[in-house]
Amino acid sequence: DAGVIQSPRHEVTEMGQEVTLRCKPISGHDSLFWYRQTMMRGLELLIYFNNNVPIDDSGMPEDRFSAKMPNASFSTLKIQPSEPRDSAVYFCASRGDVVNTEAFFGQGTRLTVV
Amino acid sequence: GEDVEQSLFLSVREGDSSVINCTYTDSSSTYLYWYKQEPGAGLQLLTYIFSNMDMKQDQRLTVLLNKKDKHLSLRIADTQTGDSAIYFCAERGYSSASKIIFGSGTRLSIRP
Repeated sequence: DAGVIQSPRHEVTEMGQEVTLRCKPISGHDSLFWYRQTMMRGLELLIYFNNNVPIDDSGMPEDRFSAKMPNASFSTLKIQPSEPRDSAVYFCASRGDVVNTEAFFGQGTRLTVV
Repeated sequence: GEDVEQSLFLSVREGDSSVINCTYTDSSSTYLYWYKQEPGAGLQLLTYIFSNMDMKQDQRLTVLLNKKDKHLSLRIADTQTGDSAIYFCAERGYSSASKIIFGSGTRLSIRP
């Protein structure tokens, strides 16, 4: 397996534009997590899914952020409209259904909103 | 709610031991993890400890857990330049659907 795959690796966009980040989890994993990493706030959990169902979205900063998982092999995180303070590295991670397994992280998407 | 705290920076001399500390608040935490993040990369699991253990050793790494004080530490023996990275402490509950909560990360720098 190629691991967790995120795209794009880098995104530069203008304020007000819609941004969509994509994630392909490891095949067979049933939990998927979206994290945001900034210097000021460290690594924040935004939302996570189990068996494609959102379990906890309390970390989503505001209504401009939305996430979907239409099937077990794909998830998106959308920001509309984007703002400069959304600039961060966004990580997707997945985990299998064995209780003590680790979460495997993608390489991240570095988002810059200008 | 759950919270995990770490100091932001640690500087050690090459060859010395590094000790990175972490505290957490969730008493139901079942698994506690240490992840490493190298520049420009995602996080990779270094080691984890189950809450009924108080120590785990793996080559140069020693994890100590004080469940009463909700304190976790990672000791890296004979620290090398390749150990320079950000180290994240994380915790989760028992359920397979539990979320993983991370600390802010400790940036370890090595001086010659």
